[in-house]
Amino acid sequence: LAKTTQPISMDSYEGQEVNITCSHNNIATNDYITWYQQFPSQGPRFIIQGYKTKVTNEVASLFIPADRKSSTLSLPRVSLSDTAVYYCLVGADTGRRALTFGSGTRLQVQP
Amino acid sequence: DVKVTQSSRYLVKRTGEKVFLECVQDMDHENMFWYRQDPGLGLRLIYFSYDVKMKEKGDIPEGYSVSREKKERFSLILESASTNQTSMYLCASSSLKGGGSFYEQYFGPGTRLTVT
Repeated sequence: LAKTTQPISMDSYEGQEVNITCSHNNIATNDYITWYQQFPSQGPRFIIQGYKTKVTNEVASLFIPADRKSSTLSLPRVSLSDTAVYYCLVGADTGRRALTFGSGTRLQVQP
Repeated sequence: DVKVTQSSRYLVKRTGEKVFLECVQDMDHENMFWYRQDPGLGLRLIYFSYDVKMKEKGDIPEGYSVSREKKERFSLILESASTNQTSMYLCASSSLKGGGSFYEQYFGPGTRLTVT
């Protein structure tokens, strides 16, 4: 099971772009990278998933370098409502492996 | 939108009681999950199920059991509740159908269980 490492916390200001990097050195060939967002007293919410290069949706972008040993979640022009914990997961759809969310990155957006 | 509901938002039980936490999803997802979340420990997987009557242990199955008799419902059972099972319990579901992913999970609002 690929282990992930993220910063414990990050601070930003409204309107800035925020990049959260996740390290996953032993990612396997079939593994995808998935990011979640969690607000206090709520369940996590799926944000984005990717395998390689770049994926973009209406919420965020996910950048994955060629070696896939890390990934970066990019949140454009954050607002106060983006204050949350962000989790990076790595795993493959095959095999139905157990999931480890880790402690995530706590993003605090200031006005 | 996928909807995952959990039977209770808050629950208080006494040590030794048998506790049932229910989870229902309305999107015909084949995969369902139970996690617990504790401060500083993140989310930890207790059990998951990839089909009716099928289950697999997660990271911390001790003290818990699960039941999945119908596709839409996944129950977590604490056979004899203990104070160290006081936690937030989160249920989730996912599907590989229609381009989905095992890891694209939809979570319920959680049940905050207190065992006294």
